Amino acid sequence: AQKVTQAQTEISVVEKEDVTLDCVYETRDTTYYLFWYKQPPSGELVFLIRRNSFDEQNEISGRYSWNFQKSTSSFNFTITASQVVDSAVYFCALSGNNQGGKLIFGQGTELSVKP
Amino acid sequence: GAGVSQTPSNKVTEKGKYVELRCDPISGHTALYWYRQSLGQGPEFLIYFQGTGAADDSGLPNDRFFAVRPEGSVSTLKIQRTERGDSAVYLCASSLNGGRETQYFGPGTRLLVL
Repeated sequence: AQKVTQAQTEISVVEKEDVTLDCVYETRDTTYYLFWYKQPPSGELVFLIRRNSFDEQNEISGRYSWNFQKSTSSFNFTITASQVVDSAVYFCALSGNNQGGKLIFGQGTELSVKP
Repeated sequence: GAGVSQTPSNKVTEKGKYVELRCDPISGHTALYWYRQSLGQGPEFLIYFQGTGAADDSGLPNDRFFAVRPEGSVSTLKIQRTERGDSAVYLCASSLNGGRETQYFGPGTRLLVL
């Protein structure tokens, strides 16, 4: 079975703090993809990153960085120097090998960045 | 270019009624997905179209739910005999060729069944 767990339901930080959102996944597939999406209060899911299971290099995009650790089945997301505009619900998702691309989402982590 | 669009943005109906939700994917995207998101939860997969055909409908909860994509572009999700438990946000996404390519989501239709 495929599963994504985001254990942190809510996180609250003060602006300029760094924050890490955890994502742990389960799959028996040898090839899979992992995703992060942002869902601001407006409701639309915004794509942030897609990573395949063969690429364990960490990725950095501006204030965002992702740490993929296959050994612990984790794909954590860090926001450096958080800003109020980062306030949103963040979802981690998994797409396995034989599913036609359907995404299995975690429960989401609601991030609140206070000024 | 235009993103995924969904209409209506909000729909209120009464228990037992029939509803149709529409999704217009990104132009040229062959794959189209429907998800359902309940309050405080992550989206849950309903159905996936590759072109005109439903390639995977394993997420449809029961036979009251049906979706079509007759010309391989716009899709309609149809719910018969709605129940209060059907209240949720229905999200549509599209990707260029399906598989594990990035899916781009629409704004969703918020369905409320009274």
